[in-house]
Amino acid sequence: EAQVTQNPRYLITVTGKKLTVTCSQNMNHEYMSWYRQDPGLGLRQIYYSMNVEVTDKGDVPEGYKVSRKEKRNFPLILESPSPNQTSLYFCASSLTGPSGNTIYFGEGSWLTVV
Amino acid sequence: DAKTTQPPSMDCAEGRAANLPCNHSTISGNEYVYWYRQIHSQGPQYIIHGLKNNETNEMASLIITEDRKSSTLILPHATLRDTAVYYCIVSSTDSWGKFQFGAGTQVVVTP
Repeated sequence: EAQVTQNPRYLITVTGKKLTVTCSQNMNHEYMSWYRQDPGLGLRQIYYSMNVEVTDKGDVPEGYKVSRKEKRNFPLILESPSPNQTSLYFCASSLTGPSGNTIYFGEGSWLTVV
Repeated sequence: DAKTTQPPSMDCAEGRAANLPCNHSTISGNEYVYWYRQIHSQGPQYIIHGLKNNETNEMASLIITEDRKSSTLILPHATLRDTAVYYCIVSSTDSWGKFQFGAGTQVVVTP
């Protein structure tokens, strides 16, 4: 079954404590992306990756890092989380990018920073 | 980047067709129109996408005007489970990896 898997699904953490949200896909997709969703602000793209070792900023990259060392994984790293990064996070993937390909989304990761 | 405009909300009676409009007047010739929906806080669910021609799948139909400046998503027989926020998105050719959601249309299907 085609899947985009995120972990953890729920996390409460403290300000400044580094954390990583993992994302894995089993479809051999080249493209992967991270979003955050906040009330009143909708879904906003954080980073995306067109392929291994190729990443680029989305609309709200501040405070986040990503890496793409292998095709199936695209972790989102919060080096020093702050309360304004409390949000619902989604990972997504598609075969070669959003132009003409179906984009699959994970189930989301609820992150609370206190 | 092409932007989209959707009504903030619409109601639909169960069993009736739901027609969701979207304006994308600045769309470029090779930019696709996508529709996604999100039920509560679940991950966005793919519905359909198209470039120029009308498209149909098991979930919905997508009607794109000839000038490509607007489109309509049609849910042929709405059910209560179709209550969701529906997003019309245009893929970007300025930046191939960008895929930007707007505010969407909150659709409520009533019995």
